[in-house]
Amino acid sequence: NAGVTQTPKFQVLKTGQSMTLQCAQDMNHEYMSWYRQDPGMGLRLIHYSVGAGITDQGEVPNGYNVSRSTTEDFPLRLLSAAPSQTSVYFCASGRSYEQYFGPGTRLTVT
Amino acid sequence: GIQVEQSPPDLILQEGANSTLRCNFSDSVNNLQWFHQNPWGQLINLFYIPSGTKQNGRLSATTVATERYSLLYISSSQTTDSGVYFCAVDLGTSYGKLTFGQGTILTVHP
Repeated sequence: NAGVTQTPKFQVLKTGQSMTLQCAQDMNHEYMSWYRQDPGMGLRLIHYSVGAGITDQGEVPNGYNVSRSTTEDFPLRLLSAAPSQTSVYFCASGRSYEQYFGPGTRLTVT
Repeated sequence: GIQVEQSPPDLILQEGANSTLRCNFSDSVNNLQWFHQNPWGQLINLFYIPSGTKQNGRLSATTVATERYSLLYISSSQTTDSGVYFCAVDLGTSYGKLTFGQGTILTVHP
């Protein structure tokens, strides 16, 4: 199993550009989540999904969209990037309470 | 929402020393996990421990759910233990919704 994979590893965007951060898992986990980590802070939940076709907002959802059309994939979309979205983004998945994290995507918005 | 506080914020040790990290949480939880974020940014699962005690090599953890705290013990520390240790909890209203503490930055000197 590859576990939780994220692409790209690094990305630089200009303000106003859009992009999609990819997340995939091959463990047949029902639950998937996106978090952001800012310097000196713990992770904060952006959006989560309890199964294909079901998503909901977390603590900091503004500026981000998600969808989940398959069990394996949970992409995170930035429609119009802002400097405040400069962060490291982590995707996680799990079958129940225990969650497993991907390697992260470091995003810089200039 | 639930509050998660970790202490100490920073810890500096000599190789071979023992340490205890603490996590306090403000509400009853159905999930508590400890993670190690290594210097490359990867989040590594250490323990899933909503209650009781677990041990894995030089690391052990205890959660006293009724008193709303968890402890992570590191014995005979090694330089590879350096990094940030996070405690994260889940209220159990839905899987995959972790609330993280701010972390403890551990530096182990040779």
